[in-house]
Amino acid sequence: EDKVVQSPLSLVVHEGDTVTLNCSYEVTNFRSLLWYKQEKKAPTFLFMLTSSGIEKKSGRLSSILDKKELFSILNITATQTGDSAVYLCAVVRGGSQGNLIFGKGTKLSVKP
Amino acid sequence: GAGVSQSPSNKVTEKGKDVELRCDPISGHTALYWYRQSLGQGLEFLIYFQGNSAPDKSGLPSDRFSAERTGGSVSTLTIQRTQQEDSAVYLCASSLGPGGNIQYFGAGTRLSVL
Repeated sequence: EDKVVQSPLSLVVHEGDTVTLNCSYEVTNFRSLLWYKQEKKAPTFLFMLTSSGIEKKSGRLSSILDKKELFSILNITATQTGDSAVYLCAVVRGGSQGNLIFGKGTKLSVKP
Repeated sequence: GAGVSQSPSNKVTEKGKDVELRCDPISGHTALYWYRQSLGQGLEFLIYFQGNSAPDKSGLPSDRFSAERTGGSVSTLTIQRTQQEDSAVYLCASSLGPGGNIQYFGAGTRLSVL
C-alpha cells in the first residue's frame, strides 16, 4: 500500500532556530512530491520536486528530494512566529491516478 | 475565480440528515479533487474529476457519499444520512490538468454532525 510518512509529528522551536522536516515515501509509480503549508484551513503550495538532488528555494525555505532513498526534507532557516503551521508532504503518482497521497503533517510551533 | 471557493465554510447538521458541499474551482482548471481531513489525520482522498472522463471514485468511504461536477466546473459533494464519523473538514482542490500538476486548495467546509 502506498504511504507517505512525515516526522516529527510536532516540533516546538524558538524564533531564529533552523528546522528540518522529514518526509519519506513508499509509492508505486512515483511522479513528484509536493510540500504545502496549512495555517488555518487551505493548504498553500510551497514546492514541487521531481528530480533528485536539485534544491528548491524560496526565501528562508528550501527543499530537496532523494529518489534513491525515497525521502525529502524541508528546511526553514531563521524561523519566525509566522512560520507556525502544519507542513504537509504529498506524493503524486503517474498514470491516471491524479490524487495526492498525503502524510499526516508536521505541526511546527515557533515561540517568540 | 481567483482561487478555489467552497461553501458553506461551516455546516452543523443532525445525524441522519443529508448535506451538500459546494466547490467552485479556479477558472480554466480541468481537474477537481475532494479530500477529507479528520482531526489528527492527514488529508484523505475522496474523488477526482478530470475533464469529461468518468470520475475516480476510489476514495469514497461508503455509498452514502457521492459527487457531481456540472459543466466541467462547479462540483457538489453530497453526504446522505450523515453519521457522527463524517465530521471533518472537506477540502476541494483544482489543477490545470491531471496528475503531476500543482493542486490548489480551497478553505474547506467544516462539517459537524451532532
